[in-house]
Amino acid sequence: GQNIDQPTEMTATEGAIVQINCTYQTSGFNGLFWYQQHAGEAPTFLSYNVLDGLEEKGRFSSFLSRSKGYSYLLLKELQMKDSASYLCAVRSPPSGGSYIPTFGRGTSLIVHP
Amino acid sequence: DTAVSQTPKYLVTQMGNDKSIKCEQNLGHDTMYWYKQDSKKFLKIMFSYNNKELIINETVPNRFSPKSPDKAHLNLHINSLELGDSAVYFCASSQDRLRPLYEQYFGPGTRLTVT
Repeated sequence: GQNIDQPTEMTATEGAIVQINCTYQTSGFNGLFWYQQHAGEAPTFLSYNVLDGLEEKGRFSSFLSRSKGYSYLLLKELQMKDSASYLCAVRSPPSGGSYIPTFGRGTSLIVHP
Repeated sequence: DTAVSQTPKYLVTQMGNDKSIKCEQNLGHDTMYWYKQDSKKFLKIMFSYNNKELIINETVPNRFSPKSPDKAHLNLHINSLELGDSAVYFCASSQDRLRPLYEQYFGPGTRLTVT
């Protein structure tokens, strides 16, 4: 089966750093993705990890440890507009010729002034 | 120009009714998807079509029937609507079936409320 765990909600202060964790147990692994979703909008892609280590992209970084089934998304210099839901998703090997994505429930991040 | 569009954006209907949600992409992609995001924010894939052929069907009730008249359109028809069908439904497309998630383009979503 597929299982992805993330905290339901986190709060942080503008200008601070926040780390959102994600643990997964999936039958097969072919990449981990982080998405940002503002209320009432579609998810937008943030980052992708397929090998262990840290991927940095501006204020956002994502880390992966495949042996531990663990990832985190690090957001630096938080801005009010970073208040959103952050979805962790794992892609499993092709089934019938297509990859199957499994999403976590998302972490709602609230940034305070 | 909108890449992936869905209609309607909001849909409120009563239990037992039949309704359809339409999706169109103008990207020339071969593969289209339907996702459901429930009130707990879980985003789950329902169906995927590649060149009008069904390739993913993730244990969705038979009341849900996707239809792809051509590769630019993937419509979702729902029969005998139930309260639990209330959710946001996202359409997405990708160039082909093997593209990674970050190469999927999402539509704006359709919020379905069943009363």
